[in-house]
Amino acid sequence: AAGVIQSPRHLIKEKRETATLKCYPIPRHDTVYWYQQGPGQDPQFLISFYEKMQSDKGSIPDRFSAQQFSDYHSELNMSSLELGDSALYFCASSSRLAGGARDTQYFGPGTRLTVL
Amino acid sequence: QKEVEQDPGPLSVPEGAIVSLNCTYSNSAFQYFMWYRQYSRKGPELLMYTYSSGNKEDGRFTAQVDKSSKYISLFIRDSQPSDSATYLCASGGYSGGGADGLTFGKGTHLIIQP
Repeated sequence: AAGVIQSPRHLIKEKRETATLKCYPIPRHDTVYWYQQGPGQDPQFLISFYEKMQSDKGSIPDRFSAQQFSDYHSELNMSSLELGDSALYFCASSSRLAGGARDTQYFGPGTRLTVL
Repeated sequence: QKEVEQDPGPLSVPEGAIVSLNCTYSNSAFQYFMWYRQYSRKGPELLMYTYSSGNKEDGRFTAQVDKSSKYISLFIRDSQPSDSATYLCASGGYSGGGADGLTFGKGTHLIIQP
């Protein structure tokens, strides 16, 4: 079965640079979520999008922004990178079920960002 | 205090044993509960997903939710060395948008000894 695709898988940036992470949800999933997982930490929710509109917002820094496009893929844009931004960034996707309930979230393999 | 509390372990058990993993949560708005398995440097893999109190079984895995005491459990029967991983419990609710982010526990590092 098709899974969530994330690119790039690894990214190395310098401090103060910008980075763009991409997420391609499971086919027919209309919702994407972004999470940040630091070393030895649990995933922290950043932001979600449903039908191209921001749905929920977590602990996303103001230096980060994200959007969902018409083909449902999403991009996380990170500016003025700091050493503390080094982490695994996961995208997850889900679909809206009949009756309005929501299916669970399926995670991608992650992008490992290293800021030097 | 985290909204989802989980003992980080490590928890070490012999192969074939029954494993019990537990979480507690404090947010009454949480409506659904998941267990994910995460191998080192990999994405979380969904194991179990449930909305309601009670038990849900899938193969060697049983998830148990008690909403009255805000307690979540995962049982693994006939544990295998390949089950060695970090197990994350997660909870979520329904805000206006309906696509709430999950709140995770810190994860329990499980080691199955051959």
